[in-house]
Amino acid sequence: AQSVTQPDIHITVSEGASLELRCNYSYGATPYLFWYVQSPGQGLQLLLKYFSGDTLVQGIKGFEAEFKRSQSSFNLRKPSVHWSDAAEYFCAVGAPGGYQKVTFGIGTKLQVIP
Amino acid sequence: GAGVSQSPSNKVTEKGKDVELRCDPISGHTALYWYRQSLGQGLEFLIYFQGNSAPDKSGLPSDRFSAERTGGSVSTLTIQRTQQEDSAVYLCASSLVYPGLAGASTDTQYFGPGTRLTVL
Repeated sequence: AQSVTQPDIHITVSEGASLELRCNYSYGATPYLFWYVQSPGQGLQLLLKYFSGDTLVQGIKGFEAEFKRSQSSFNLRKPSVHWSDAAEYFCAVGAPGGYQKVTFGIGTKLQVIP
Repeated sequence: GAGVSQSPSNKVTEKGKDVELRCDPISGHTALYWYRQSLGQGLEFLIYFQGNSAPDKSGLPSDRFSAERTGGSVSTLTIQRTQQEDSAVYLCASSLVYPGLAGASTDTQYFGPGTRLTVL
């Protein structure tokens, strides 16, 4: 079965600084990869997803993520963080085929300071 | 269109009582998930329904937890003899499943607003 690791539980960045949230997955082939965001008091919302094709994926709110097969990673990036980006971010991995469930990481909580 | 809805939005119960939480998925979504999110914790997978297949119950924490999905649509999560440690937000999500060359795969999950359960 697939698994996903988000090694950073909390990250603090200054507003305007760049951001990279790490996600590593374990799966024998190319998985389906997702990033979700949960703003305080809000539900989870999809930021972006990778199924195939171009390994650099653009999402909403100015986020992007890059699939790197050699590193089994799907890190989320944003060039300039806004205060409204403070939220919890979840990486998820799905296995193509077999009706297998999508597996979520434990999440990374992002704090943005002025 | 309508999203995933959950009811009730808040539930306060006494220890030892049974509770039922309801999820109405997006019409046409054959995959349905239940998760639990405790304060300061990540998403804890509970159960996964896909079409008429046997559900994946591997995340249910004890035999006090059960879930069913009637007619491939509405799902009910039941917690019997609730304990204080059951207090959490219970999230439901649904998604499309589409066939592929290697078999079916789930797509984006759409989450409901959750039910906040408080066990006194």
